[in-house]
Amino acid sequence: AQSVSQHNHHVILSEAASLELGCNYSYGGTVNLFWYVQYPGQHLQLLLKYFSGDPLVKGIKGFEAEFIKSKFSFNLRKPSVQWSDTAEYFCAVIPSGGSYIPTFGRGTSLIVHP
Amino acid sequence: DTGVSQDPRHKITKRGQNVTFRCDPISEHNRLYWYRQTLGQGPEFLTYFQNEAQLEKSRLLSDRFSAERPKGSFSTLEIQRTEQGDSAMYLCASSPQGPETQYFGPGTRLLVL
Repeated sequence: AQSVSQHNHHVILSEAASLELGCNYSYGGTVNLFWYVQYPGQHLQLLLKYFSGDPLVKGIKGFEAEFIKSKFSFNLRKPSVQWSDTAEYFCAVIPSGGSYIPTFGRGTSLIVHP
Repeated sequence: DTGVSQDPRHKITKRGQNVTFRCDPISEHNRLYWYRQTLGQGPEFLTYFQNEAQLEKSRLLSDRFSAERPKGSFSTLEIQRTEQGDSAMYLCASSPQGPETQYFGPGTRLLVL
């Protein structure tokens, strides 16, 4: 069974600071990778995803993530955060083929000070 | 609004009672997922359907939990003989197929007293 680890549970930044949230997974096969975001009072929504191809993927609102297969990592980055990025961020893994059972990390709470 | 909807949004019940939640997925999405989320944790997979067939069920899901998706449209999640440990947010998500993007509903927050 796969597992997902998000190392930073709480991150506090000032506006314009750079962001990197870590995500590592364990699984023996090929995976599809996702970052979801949950803004206060809103539904979980997709930020970006990686299925195959270019390991650097770009998502909405200036976010990007890089898949490093050798490190089993899919870290989320943003060069300059805004107050509106305050939210909960979840990394998720779904195995390619087979059962498609998703596994989510426990999430990282990001607070951006204006 | 054509997103995923869930009903009710909040439910308070007494221990031992049965509760049922409903999820209406985005039309034409053939996959429907149920998750449970507790404070400080990510969504935990419970079960999923492809059309009306329940394809996977978490080993963590006790026999008190049952889900259905008759006719492959809306789904219900029933918890029998609720326990305080069942208090959580229950999320539903749908996707067009396979590992594609899941679209989440607002969730049903359950409190068992």
